[in-house]
Amino acid sequence: EAGVAQSPRYKIIEKRQSVAFWCNPISGHATLYWYQQILGQGPKLLIQFQNNGVVDDSQLPKDRFSAERLKGVDSTLKIQPAKLEDSAVYLCASSPIKGGQNTEAFFGQGTRLTVV
Amino acid sequence: DQQVKQNSPSLSVQEGRISILNCDYTNSMFDYFLWYKKYPAEGPTFLISISSIKDKNEDGRFTVFLNKSAKHLSLHIVPSQPGDSAVYFCARGTSYGKLTFGQGTILTVHP
Repeated sequence: EAGVAQSPRYKIIEKRQSVAFWCNPISGHATLYWYQQILGQGPKLLIQFQNNGVVDDSQLPKDRFSAERLKGVDSTLKIQPAKLEDSAVYLCASSPIKGGQNTEAFFGQGTRLTVV
Repeated sequence: DQQVKQNSPSLSVQEGRISILNCDYTNSMFDYFLWYKKYPAEGPTFLISISSIKDKNEDGRFTVFLNKSAKHLSLHIVPSQPGDSAVYFCARGTSYGKLTFGQGTILTVHP
């Protein structure tokens, strides 16, 4: 079974530029997550989708970050304009069911973003 | 605010001995808890989980203990192996699948 695919693996941009990340979850997984992991910290949830609807985006900086999940499958996360503090690894994850006890998420390898 | 905290940034253990990683949480009743392991340049991988109605769950060398009165959970690795060297994250999950992670503990297992 193929895992969660993310691209690109690495991205370097200048501040105030825009950037987009792409995620293809495991086939059949209803839930998709985007996490931001700053160096030395744990992953922080940015947005959680259930199929193509948003379940939780309470920590998404909506003035500059946006995400969509078309047709309930692939997802893109966009930052416009980027700030230096956005330098982090952006992790996409998916899980197979709608929730309940012991719902584990499967992570992709992440995209390392450096804003200079 | 539902928090999970890992107060030890790092842990060093000799090969063959026990590794104990700790996590504290707040404001939970029906949540469940998970442990993930992360190697450099890779995404976190799931290790083991425990539901809020249990005190212990075991899977091979890995055992997770949940102390609900103390709002504390721990991961025991016995025996520890050099390949276990990684960053370990505890996480809590809600009924709708939201996962909140701790800050992580770097485990180093020396041969």
